[in-house]
Amino acid sequence: TQLLEQSPQFLSIQEGENLTVYCNSSSVFSSLQWYRQEPGEGPVLLVTVVTGGEVKKLKRLTFQFGDARKDSSLHITAAQTGDTGLYLCAGARMDSSYKLIFGSGTRLLVRP
Amino acid sequence: NAGVTQTPKFQVLKTGQSMTLQCAQDMNHNSMYWYRQDPGMGLRLIYYSASEGTTDKGEVPNGYNVSRLNKREFSLRLESAAPSQTSVYFCASSEQRSGGYGYTFGSGTRLTVV
Repeated sequence: TQLLEQSPQFLSIQEGENLTVYCNSSSVFSSLQWYRQEPGEGPVLLVTVVTGGEVKKLKRLTFQFGDARKDSSLHITAAQTGDTGLYLCAGARMDSSYKLIFGSGTRLLVRP
Repeated sequence: NAGVTQTPKFQVLKTGQSMTLQCAQDMNHNSMYWYRQDPGMGLRLIYYSASEGTTDKGEVPNGYNVSRLNKREFSLRLESAAPSQTSVYFCASSEQRSGGYGYTFGSGTRLTVV
């Protein structure tokens, strides 16, 4: 049973387009993190959101934590080929906050 | 460069063989973790060590053992490898017992069991 569901699983878009990736759960998390992973490498942390309703921006990437702290979204504006990779959301559960539960990931391909 | 170092990067084992995956971090982090990554299943927690001297089972611990040798090092042992353990293994560390701190991952060990 996957506690964190990510959608879509795969996304292929043209450079310059916008996109949104979703991360949903029926569980409440104390915080939620987004990572990007490139082939042959480990995931790299992009952002951590902690407060319900929180919005964080990282250049062209906008992250939002749901009001109820059960879901999150990642929006990329004007995607670039360098954004290609596997995007993973990960939640810290309320009962064991230092253990992260990972979603299955969204594989993004940005075509030139 | 500061970070998490995993060895080896690649390994092929025959069914029944044993091996130890090594992990070391130089960021003075308290907590360390072992995950496996399989296609379509994301990262699943095998074992973790909240602090030096403690280890606990994660989501998929069967067939594995771990040792937190000191604050820097956390090893993962496969006593009798099985084809189902073919996967990419990642070690990670984090600052504190808090979900507000991100993980730093190593670059992974790609293990094939034949």
